[in-house]
Amino acid sequence: QVQLQESGPGLVKPSQTLSLTCTVSGGSISSGSYYWSWIRQPAGKGLEWIGRIYTSGSTNYNPSLKSRVTISVDTSKNQFSLKLSSVTAADTAVYYCAREPFYYDSSGTFNWFDPWGQGTLVTVSS
Amino acid sequence: DIQMTQSPSSLSASVGDRVTITCRASQSISSYLNWYQQKPGKAPKLLIYAASSLQSGVPSRFSGSGSGTDFTLTISSLQPEDFATYYCQQSYSTLGYTFGQGTKLEIK
Repeated sequence: QVQLQESGPGLVKPSQTLSLTCTVSGGSISSGSYYWSWIRQPAGKGLEWIGRIYTSGSTNYNPSLKSRVTISVDTSKNQFSLKLSSVTAADTAVYYCAREPFYYDSSGTFNWFDPWGQGTLVTVSS
Repeated sequence: DIQMTQSPSSLSASVGDRVTITCRASQSISSYLNWYQQKPGKAPKLLIYAASSLQSGVPSRFSGSGSGTDFTLTISSLQPEDFATYYCQQSYSTLGYTFGQGTKLEIK
């Protein structure tokens, strides 16, 4: 079964760039049936979708974060990555990567997140 | 963006109870609605996708219904392992997927 694992620095200084990688195991990231997403959750709060990438390199970003976010994919390593620039304390959160299956029917395209990585806490502090 | 509002925000119930959690969208999202369960310190787990489709491996006591703006997640007979926080999520707009604020289900 597919498993996802986030990795990267747990502490980032304000104004710097947060960089995380998600390694996919048990399946190929190049499968055409999935997007690959990043989601975050501040401590004690709800979930916020950051953005996603398809294996073609096509991306979609949350409009509230779009100016600071870059998601990329490295199919040779079976990984995808997140960069969030100009971070502040408000970016402190647990960051999750997730696979986003989708299917089409006559109504349109249905998407959901499954599975998720275990999450990694990133703290923004000097 | 599409706002998702869950009610109640918290709920106390007993093992064996039937529980319903509601999720309302700020505009019609057809059936583009998913439900997740999250336990403390763990990643969310998919329960229901496309409003009413049960994810493989999820117990049949979980069910989802609704379309348009109003949706429900029902647990027919609460089990001890069901005490967790539940989130709805709309996948109607890829301009920005959004989640509800969560419903914390606690033991009475």
